[in-house]
Amino acid sequence: NAGVTQTPKFQVLKTGQSMTLQCAQDMNHNSMYWYRQDPGMGLRLIYYSASEGTTDKGEVPNGYNVSRLNKREFSLRLESAAPSQTSVYFCASREPPGQGTFQPQHFGDGTRLSIL
Amino acid sequence: GESVGLHLPTLSVQEGDNSIINCAYSNSASDYFIWYKQESGKGPQFIIDIRSNMDKRQGQRVTVLLNKTVKHLSLQIAATQPGDSAVYFCADRRMDSSYKLIFGSGTRLLVRP
Repeated sequence: NAGVTQTPKFQVLKTGQSMTLQCAQDMNHNSMYWYRQDPGMGLRLIYYSASEGTTDKGEVPNGYNVSRLNKREFSLRLESAAPSQTSVYFCASREPPGQGTFQPQHFGDGTRLSIL
Repeated sequence: GESVGLHLPTLSVQEGDNSIINCAYSNSASDYFIWYKQESGKGPQFIIDIRSNMDKRQGQRVTVLLNKTVKHLSLQIAATQPGDSAVYFCADRRMDSSYKLIFGSGTRLLVRP
């Protein structure tokens, strides 16, 4: 059971280049998320997808786009990379909670992205 | 803005001792509080959650305490082991923000042999 798989694990880009980060989950979860993690900081939500066919902005969506390709896959695209987007990017997925319950998010191991 | 934060960035404990990691929060519209563990080079791993109407919840070697009066959350790890060395994050789920999670900045736990 792989859980949440992110590719690539590492990437170096030049300013202005574009790139798509891939995320796939095999847990049949409805909700998927993209976060970034900067040194000394917690995770900040970029975009999320509550269910297949829907996407919504999080705290820090500027400079990013997302695609919920199907129930398993949720990709994050940087159209024109900037040094401020150097970060570790995490994808997560979650089952929908039942009434008054909590379902934790399950995270991948991240993509470490450096933009020169 | 309102945020979840941590008192101490680094905590060093002796193997076998108990660890207490603290977290302060300011948002009153959170229905759950959650602790995650992140090992080096890995993604965050869920440890335990507590509903806002509870004040204590226990798991395997871990206990989470919630004090709503002073808006304080803590994670207690009993008999700390080398494998517990990691960064620990608290997070809260915001009912007033589409139930999204807001993460604190993390505390690094170092376990001395």
